[in-house]
Amino acid sequence: SAVISQKPSRDICQRGTSLTIQCQVDSQVTMMFWYRQQPGQSLTLIATANQGSEATYESGFVIDKFPISRPNLTFSTLTVSNMSPEDSSIYLCSVEGARGADTQYFGPGTRLTVL
Amino acid sequence: GQQLNQSPQSMFIQEGEDVSMNCTSSSIFNTWLWYKQDPGEGPVLLIALYKAGELTSNGRLTAQFGITRKDSFLNISASIPSDVGIYFCAGQAAGNKLTFGGGTRVLVKP
Repeated sequence: SAVISQKPSRDICQRGTSLTIQCQVDSQVTMMFWYRQQPGQSLTLIATANQGSEATYESGFVIDKFPISRPNLTFSTLTVSNMSPEDSSIYLCSVEGARGADTQYFGPGTRLTVL
Repeated sequence: GQQLNQSPQSMFIQEGEDVSMNCTSSSIFNTWLWYKQDPGEGPVLLIALYKAGELTSNGRLTAQFGITRKDSFLNISASIPSDVGIYFCAGQAAGNKLTFGGGTRVLVKP
């Protein structure tokens, strides 16, 4: 499986600021995904990061709040904008496996705390 | 939308015990995945199941894709302390989206 890294691994931010999270993969992948994991909860898909086009957002998530970039097949960023304490979560990127997006592998996550 | 009911929500294990957890859905899935998440880490894929009835092992772990395509279970045999963590099931129906269960928190008996 691909090796996935995320930066930063954790951060503490002030309300009203924005944070950009990076996801780097060691091989080219077509599908990349961003998930949110609120404290003590399961994973919720935020959006699919599409290379060369706008991300596809899930219900309840909007581009103004979570802008995503996907400049190439190995890299993506997720920005959490105008943060509030409710945005405190772990943010995870995932990539498809060799047989496609029915198997996904996750990065180590970015633990975000908003004060 | 689709929902996965994962049970139990938590369980205590004693070293050497066999434990089991399962996921059920009201709708059909084409793929079932089982992940383990340790504190401060991302979920790690343990087992992937792609066909109804499929039974797959990975060391002491065994998982099955239910014949109705609406359920899956994961067994851990002869548990050891490092089995502690949170286990998530995930299913995929049409398209690329994975739906996750609520997780089973595995703890060590005091």
